[in-house]
Amino acid sequence: QVQLQESGPGLVEPSQTLSLTCTVSGASISSGTYSWSWVRQPAGKGLEWIGHIYISGTTNFNPSLKSRVAMSMDTSRNQFSLRLSSVTAADTAIYYCARAHGSTSIRWFDPWGQGTLVTVSS
Amino acid sequence: SYVLTQPPSVSVAPGETARITCGENNIGSKSVHWYQQKPGQAPVLVIYYDSDRPSGIPERFAGSNSGNSATLTISRVEAGDEADYYCQVWDSSSDHPVFGGGTKLTVL
Repeated sequence: QVQLQESGPGLVEPSQTLSLTCTVSGASISSGTYSWSWVRQPAGKGLEWIGHIYISGTTNFNPSLKSRVAMSMDTSRNQFSLRLSSVTAADTAIYYCARAHGSTSIRWFDPWGQGTLVTVSS
Repeated sequence: SYVLTQPPSVSVAPGETARITCGENNIGSKSVHWYQQKPGQAPVLVIYYDSDRPSGIPERFAGSNSGNSATLTISRVEAGDEADYYCQVWDSSSDHPVFGGGTKLTVL
């Protein structure tokens, strides 16, 4: 059974960089045609896709966040990571990692990590 | 670019049938996926490829997609089905997902 687990600081100061890691168990992030994704959800609001990374290293980001986002993979640790720079209070949210699979034109997310709350505050 | 429109809320009595719609022009030409998110929990995939159910999802959950609307149908609704439900498609031209705004299902 594939499981994903987010980790990282729960509190980040404004203008600093948010860094999160997703550890995958039960499957290798190096196998298959999956994309490894980050999705966030502000309190009481809907789901917002942040971006994803393929094992090839190819990334794609939400245009509204693209200038501040970076993603990477560490296959030796079976992890992938998110960095979001210059954070503001608007970046306060629950951050989920998820695996997307399907074809190049039809993809869905399964499974999801349990999520981690990141608060941006001084 | 896609904009998926869901009703903010749907209410149904226990044992009845709930229908949650996801609208977009010609959405029938896309594959729609559905997620259930209970309070304080991560989303869970309940329908993919319009109407397929992942293992472990009850047969009470069914999906359909045609024309300008996709529908998640939950039969014999139980109190435990109370949750937010999100539809999702993949925008292949931009290689990114699009989520609906979510529908809160209340079991009366």
